[in-house]
Amino acid sequence: DADVTQTPRNRITKTGKRIMLECSQTKGHDRMYWYRQDPGLGLRLIYYSFDVKDINKGEISDGYSVSRQAQAKFSLSLESAIPNQTALYFCATSESYWTYGYTFGSGTRLTVV
Amino acid sequence: SQKIEQNSEALNIQEGKTATLTCNYTNYSPAYLQWYRQDPGRGPVFLLLIRENEKEKRKERLKVTFDTTLKQSLFHITASQPADSATYLCALRGNYQLIWGAGTKLIIKP
Repeated sequence: DADVTQTPRNRITKTGKRIMLECSQTKGHDRMYWYRQDPGLGLRLIYYSFDVKDINKGEISDGYSVSRQAQAKFSLSLESAIPNQTALYFCATSESYWTYGYTFGSGTRLTVV
Repeated sequence: SQKIEQNSEALNIQEGKTATLTCNYTNYSPAYLQWYRQDPGRGPVFLLLIRENEKEKRKERLKVTFDTTLKQSLFHITASQPADSATYLCALRGNYQLIWGAGTKLIIKP
């Protein structure tokens, strides 16, 4: 099994719909992250969580919300999807935010039509 | 704010040669810099981390240098192989998160 599992792998949804992307990890790390990747741009941080009770907004949190259900589970929701949220979404986990590498999931390709 | 620049143009290298990718950054000097590999449709995979007091780090055919005066890191792949073809991302420590470059696509031709 993968260290970080994201579901679904691909999703097409309509404008205005609510959608949830799920992430689970088996690394046992407290820190988890949600990123968005668009062509030609670096990864941009949406939300991050340092433990179950500590959730923080990243640089592009508008239009998104998260839930940390357990140490291993971190979900991202789009409350009312819009076309410019079409992107590749990645979940990641790390032991520390800079002194160790991040482990990423395989991503969710989301298309909002 | 901190900014990272990686060459947006693809780098084409003949198999067997050394590939060198560049990561430049502005403003303050990060204590750490990381390099990742990303294949199409997949998540980035961590390769190497280098600290500001380390001039060079090696792992098998990979070598990373970190010049805090030039504000630049170089990533080298020696004896390159077609399987090394991928996009390579650099990331550096920001205030509370990693700051990512957009990546450079490396193509190794047989």
